[in-house]
Amino acid sequence: NAGVTQTPKFQVLKTGQSMTLQCAQDMNHNSMYWYRQDPGMGLRLIYYSASEGTTDKGEVPNGYNVSRLNKREFSLRLESAAPSQTSVYFCASSEGSSGSYNEQFFGPGTRLTVL
Amino acid sequence: GNSVTQMEGPVTLSEEAFLTINCTYTATGYPSLFWYVQYPGEGLQLLLKATKADDKGSNKGFEATYRKETTSFHLEKGSVQVSDSAVYFCALSGQAGTALIFGKGTTLSVSS
Repeated sequence: NAGVTQTPKFQVLKTGQSMTLQCAQDMNHNSMYWYRQDPGMGLRLIYYSASEGTTDKGEVPNGYNVSRLNKREFSLRLESAAPSQTSVYFCASSEGSSGSYNEQFFGPGTRLTVL
Repeated sequence: GNSVTQMEGPVTLSEEAFLTINCTYTATGYPSLFWYVQYPGEGLQLLLKATKADDKGSNKGFEATYRKETTSFHLEKGSVQVSDSAVYFCALSGQAGTALIFGKGTTLSVSS
């Protein structure tokens, strides 16, 4: 099993450009998440999808949109990139069923630089 | 709301030294607690977990005990190796399908 995969691994954008970060999981998990990691800030939740067909905002959703395309895939879109969005982005998934312990599995990350 | 506080680093140790990284939490109800590890240039990997009070999670020589009375989940290892150099994150979780709440991470550097 590949687990959680993310593309691209690295990306450089100019201010104002748009892009979509792709994430897929092959563990038949119900829940998926997008986090960003910044120095000294730990990981902060951008958006999550508790189950297919639902999405909810996290701690830092401004400037982002998400799409839960199907049970496997959860994409993150930056419509107009800003330098403040320079970060490392991690996708994660969890079983999400009632009674599960919410152990989350992480992808390798996308390192995004906005100039 | 729920929160996690972990000791700030960096923590610098010599090989075979004893490691403790402190983690305390604030939460309603009975959260699950986790330690994740991030090696340079990689994503986060689950190191260990505990799902109820007095549970001890363990993996790769690391241990942590869920202490409800002190709201703590300190990470310990008796003898660290150079390969343990990484960033360690304490996290808590409420019900299934909700996000993890992470501490800010502690960088561990082990020298030979």
